[in-house]
Amino acid sequence: AQSVTQLGSHVSVSEGALVLLRCNYSSSVPPYLFWYVQYPNQGLQLLLKYTTGATLVKGINGFEAEFKKSETSFHLTKPSAHMSDAAEYFCAVRGFGNEKLTFGTGTRLTIIP
Amino acid sequence: DSGVTQTPKHLITATGQRVTLRCSPRSGDLSVYWYQQSLDQGLQFLIQYYNGEERAKGNILERFSAQQFPDLHSELNLSSLELGDSALYFCASDQGVGTGELFFGEGSRLTVL
Repeated sequence: AQSVTQLGSHVSVSEGALVLLRCNYSSSVPPYLFWYVQYPNQGLQLLLKYTTGATLVKGINGFEAEFKKSETSFHLTKPSAHMSDAAEYFCAVRGFGNEKLTFGTGTRLTIIP
Repeated sequence: DSGVTQTPKHLITATGQRVTLRCSPRSGDLSVYWYQQSLDQGLQFLIQYYNGEERAKGNILERFSAQQFPDLHSELNLSSLELGDSALYFCASDQGVGTGELFFGEGSRLTVL
């Protein structure tokens, strides 16, 4: 069964600082990996996804993530945090042929002015 | 706008009651997924339908049921409601081929008093 672990339920960074949100996956088959963002009182919006091909994936709003098979990781980064990045971020995994997405527990990102 | 429509957005009801949540998937999507988001359980997969047939079942209580109609919209029925059923219920859709991302609606927030 596929699963993801998000390290750190709360992360605070200063405006302009590097954002790093950690995600490790467990999968018996090559996985599809995703990062979603949830703003207050809103639904889940896809930030980026890794399916096949290039391991460095660029997403919306300046975010990117790198698929590292040797480390079973898919960490999310952004070089410079903006106040509008404050939200909850979810890592998710989907195994090949497995229909559902399995989500991590989420990381709440706070931006300090 | 993901193209997935959920109604109602908010619902307040009493313990023991029954409610129905409705979801219209994106145009062209055949598969619908239901997720429950609560503070203590996170994002939990409930059930998936593909072209009218149940395809996968997750942590769905026996008091809950769902169906997908010929026009592909789906309904989630929650009965004998308990305080602990208070949560945000999300519907998502995709083409049902088992790859790629899910597209999420804005959710239905259920409050059981």
